[in-house]
Amino acid sequence: AQKITQTQPGMFVQEKEAVTLDCTYDTSDPSYGLFWYKQPSSGEMIFLIYQGSYDQQNATEGRYSLNFQKARKSANLVISASQLGDSAMYFCAMRGGGYQKVTFGTGTKLQVIP
Amino acid sequence: NAGVTQTPKFQVLKTGQSMTLQCAQDMNHEYMSWYRQDPGMGLRLIHYSVGAGITDQGEVPNGYNVSRSTTEDFPLRLLSAAPSQTSVYFCASSLGRTSSLWTQYFGPGTRLLVL
Repeated sequence: AQKITQTQPGMFVQEKEAVTLDCTYDTSDPSYGLFWYKQPSSGEMIFLIYQGSYDQQNATEGRYSLNFQKARKSANLVISASQLGDSAMYFCAMRGGGYQKVTFGTGTKLQVIP
Repeated sequence: NAGVTQTPKFQVLKTGQSMTLQCAQDMNHEYMSWYRQDPGMGLRLIHYSVGAGITDQGEVPNGYNVSRSTTEDFPLRLLSAAPSQTSVYFCASSLGRTSSLWTQYFGPGTRLLVL
C-alpha cells in the first residue's frame, strides 16, 4: 500500500519569504509520480508541480520547486517569495504503479502574513 | 476548452434518496476519477475509469456506482444516500500514457449534504 504523510497541519510565512511544505511518501512501486496541488478557500484544486520517480532533476514551475530526495522518500514543496495569494491548503499526492493508485495527503494550510 | 465540469454545484438530499453527480471533460482524456473530500482526510478515491466501458473501484466505493459510456462523461450515482456521504465530491481527468501526462485536472466540485 502506498501512503502520503504531511505532518504540518498549518504554517505561517511572512510575505516575500520562502516556505517549505513537507511531504513524505511510502510505496513499493519502482515507478511513481509525485504531485502538489493548491486548494484556495474557493475550493478548486489547482495543479502546481509534478516530479517523476526517474527524473534526475528537481521539478520547478515558476516560484514553485519540488525538493525530491528519493532515498529519504520526501518530496517537499518550496514556495519562493511568498505572496498573499499563496494562502491556501496544499496537498501532496502520489500516483503509484497503476493509475488507480493515487493517494493524497491530509494537507497543509499555509497562511501568508503581510 | 471548458476543462472538467461538474453539476450540480450544491445539493441537499434526504436519507434514502438517490441522485447522480455529473462530470464531463472536453480534453479527450482517457482517465477519469471521482474523489470525496472530508475535513482532515484529504481526498479519497471512490471510483475511476481508464476508458469508455472500463471502470474500477477505488479506496471508498461502497454506496456509489459509476459507468462510462463515452470518453467525455463519467457520472457518479448515489443509490440510497446516507448522512455519511455528506462531503465535497471532485471529478478529475488525465491523459495518461506517459509519466508527466498523469497529472490530473479537477472539476470545481459538488458539495453534497445528506440530511
